[in-house]
Amino acid sequence: KAGVTQTPRYLIKTRGQQVTLSCSPISGHRSVSWYQQTPGQGLQFLFEYFSETQRNKGNFPGRFSGRQFSNSRSEMNVSTLELGDSALYLCASSLVGRDTGELFFGEGSRLTVL
Amino acid sequence: DAKTTQPPSMDCAEGRAANLPCNHSTISGNEYVYWYRQIHSQGPQYIIHGLKNNETNEMASLIITEDRKSSTLILPHATLRDTAVYYCIVLIQGAQKLVFGQGTRLTINP
Repeated sequence: KAGVTQTPRYLIKTRGQQVTLSCSPISGHRSVSWYQQTPGQGLQFLFEYFSETQRNKGNFPGRFSGRQFSNSRSEMNVSTLELGDSALYLCASSLVGRDTGELFFGEGSRLTVL
Repeated sequence: DAKTTQPPSMDCAEGRAANLPCNHSTISGNEYVYWYRQIHSQGPQYIIHGLKNNETNEMASLIITEDRKSSTLILPHATLRDTAVYYCIVLIQGAQKLVFGQGTRLTINP
């Protein structure tokens, strides 16, 4: 079956702009998480959604937001972009059940802020 | 979540077993040990997980010490495609938030 799909794969923005990234989870997966990866900070958890509700949130400013739709697809938005927001943004989906640490990651959206 | 400690880098010859250690001395009784890897420019990939018993799947084996304070991921016959950063993560059952450390950069040499 199809894996986690993220769009766009690459994008370039300028400071002050906003960006929306999209994630389509594996069919049947209802939990979607987002992670940011930078060379300096590594992989960091942004937030997790289940049944259109944010269940967990990482330590990021309010400029980072997300949502999940009834079909489990998710979007994340970053407003007022800063240079430091340049990163690989990864989406992961999972079945919610007994063993929930098995996440399936997409290829990521690479954001460059100029 | 418990903190993990891994060596920053390791090398292994192709065809040999790669043994990647991880210390998690503050692990709690309800925390699992998970291993992920990230091949360059790709998203992380789940490998294996365990609670206290040793586990094996088609990708690797996981050996957890009896006191659960450390574990070893074993890739039995490493190939060049196993070159990646390997992350050891401890996770409470039911949690969705993975806390990634710096991982171990494993290089498989021909």
